[in-house]
Amino acid sequence: GAGVSQSPSNKVTEKGKDVELRCDPISGHTALYWYRQRLGQGLEFLIYFQGNSAPDKSGLPSDRFSAERTGESVSTLTIQRTQQEDSAVYLCASSLVGGLGQPQHFGDGTRLSIL
Amino acid sequence: KNEVEQSPQNLTAQEGEFITINCSYSVGISALHWLQQHPGGGIVSLFMLSSGKKKHGRLIATINIQEKHSSLHITASHPRDSAVYICAAEYNNNDMRFGAGTRLTVKP
Repeated sequence: GAGVSQSPSNKVTEKGKDVELRCDPISGHTALYWYRQRLGQGLEFLIYFQGNSAPDKSGLPSDRFSAERTGESVSTLTIQRTQQEDSAVYLCASSLVGGLGQPQHFGDGTRLSIL
Repeated sequence: KNEVEQSPQNLTAQEGEFITINCSYSVGISALHWLQQHPGGGIVSLFMLSSGKKKHGRLIATINIQEKHSSLHITASHPRDSAVYICAAEYNNNDMRFGAGTRLTVKP
């Protein structure tokens, strides 16, 4: 069956450019999460969407990072004026409902490399 | 200091051995997740616990709320179990904190 789909799978760009990462959650999943995993480090929570509620942006590392989600469908994570420290794998996950320990289904990630 | 501590960081076992990975967290949580990250980077959610014990095949996860501790056990380990196992604590505000992971290598 269709899982969480992320695109692109790989992205290489120059420092200072803006990038946009896309996540298609599992159909019917109301909750969507973005995470980041830098090389050799653990997962970091970035942002959480639940239905039409205001997103929890508490994990975004700087104001260069923003994310949007239209209803309960696609989400985009945008990084403006990229820096080398933004190089990481960006993972998206969705769950049927948010919170209270619902199982999360992860995409394969977007590997972002900033030159 | 990471709020979620995993041990060991690295673990090498022979095929067939019983494996335990431990996770401790510092404050009350709404749930505890165990994730498996394959060498290619893909992540699979193994368990989500808020109390007690869950079993799936050769995998068993337990949690002790009073002691703020969870364990992931693998019985009859197999080389295909080689992966990084990550513990994640989910809090009431839906924030999640991740352990650094345990890199498991099972040798044939």
